Amino acid sequence: DTAVSQTPKYLVTQMGNDKSIKCEQNLGHDTMYWYKQDSKKFLKIMFSYNNKELIINETVPNRFSPKSPDKAHLNLHINSLELGDSAVYFCASSQPGSFYNEQFFGPGTRLTVL
Amino acid sequence: GQSLEQPSEVTAVEGAIVQINCTYQTSGFYGLSWYQQHDGGAPTFLSYNALDGLEETGRFSSFLSRSDSYGYLLLQELQMKDSASYFCAVPMDSSYKLIFGSGTRLLVRP
Repeated sequence: DTAVSQTPKYLVTQMGNDKSIKCEQNLGHDTMYWYKQDSKKFLKIMFSYNNKELIINETVPNRFSPKSPDKAHLNLHINSLELGDSAVYFCASSQPGSFYNEQFFGPGTRLTVL
Repeated sequence: GQSLEQPSEVTAVEGAIVQINCTYQTSGFYGLSWYQQHDGGAPTFLSYNALDGLEETGRFSSFLSRSDSYGYLLLQELQMKDSASYFCAVPMDSSYKLIFGSGTRLLVRP
């Protein structure tokens, strides 16, 4: 059984389009995250939700809007896609209780903007 | 600001031992984590050190020196499947946020 799942796995689209990525976790965790990994493999946090509440919002263009309908789901909507948005987007979840904070990552969504 | 530095690439031979270093600068420190990521895959958690010393888990060990703001991941009896990128990461206070290093690509050769 997949712990953290994302759809779609691949997304190829034209500049200016709007697209969404969905994430679900069945681990019962309270906290979920979106990360962006660029072509140099640098992994940077974008957003984090704890029990449906936004707790981390990094310096991300407001074309990116996360939504958490419940604590098991965290979706990412991107408006007016740009070439620089091409990257792999990872969803992750964790159950914070200490700074141990092991994070479980989804398989990633490779977004290519043409 | 927060920063973590790792070598960009390390090459080693199958069966050998390799050490991947990580130095960090943080305003507060709560521990050092390591993650492994194979090409095309997702990062997976390897270890966490909150206190100074060596933590061993099978072929992998992780070390921390808080006074030196330094840690390393030690991989023993290297196997071809250990070829991957390895990231050190530090949690940021109580905000659940992890800051990742830029990653070290390990290439294991026969």
